[in-house]
Amino acid sequence: DVKVTQSSRYLVKRTGEKVFLECVQDMDHENMFWYRQDPGLGLRLIYFSYDVKMKEKGDIPEGYSVSREKKERFSLILESASTNQTSMYLCASSFAVGPTNEKLFFGSGTQLSVL
Amino acid sequence: DAKTTQPTSMDCAEGRAANLPCNHSTISGNEYVYWYRQIHSQGPQYIIHGLKNNETNEMASLIITEDRKSSTLILPHATLRDTAVYYCIAALYGGSQGNLIFGKGTKLSVKP
Repeated sequence: DVKVTQSSRYLVKRTGEKVFLECVQDMDHENMFWYRQDPGLGLRLIYFSYDVKMKEKGDIPEGYSVSREKKERFSLILESASTNQTSMYLCASSFAVGPTNEKLFFGSGTQLSVL
Repeated sequence: DAKTTQPTSMDCAEGRAANLPCNHSTISGNEYVYWYRQIHSQGPQYIIHGLKNNETNEMASLIITEDRKSSTLILPHATLRDTAVYYCIAALYGGSQGNLIFGKGTKLSVKP
């Protein structure tokens, strides 16, 4: 089975700290994604990447950056954490084979609290 | 991508079929219908997708109307572990373009 692993299940950080959220997938997927999920707002795409060192902005990239130095790893960086970045963060990956057979595989999520 | 409309919540008795409806009246001819579910405190899980033919896999069946304006996800024998939020998404690509929009979904409660 495909496994998408997020480094932490729960994380508590202070305002202004630099925060790294790590995600690793074990199926050689080209595409990787970072979403955040907030009550009443559904999942919102922050950034995604379709290849090593490539990145694309999603719907809400402000306040975030990403890094993809290796195919299996996609990092989300909060340069200076703020309280409005308290959220559940979800990483996902997929093959780039077109719509007929594409599925997103999600990690279990990281619940980040910024105090 | 086309907008979808789902009921906010539904109940289903354990062992019975759960039929989850989805309206996508503005779907275009080459957009697929995807279903995902999210069990509490976990990431979403892919269930099934289809274009116009009915589809079945080990998890569920997807029935798409002939005009493609609506679809129904069927869990044939719901169990307590099927309690989750179910998302219906109409999209051209399955996610590689960063285009999947997970709305509020339908909260399915399977009761003993």
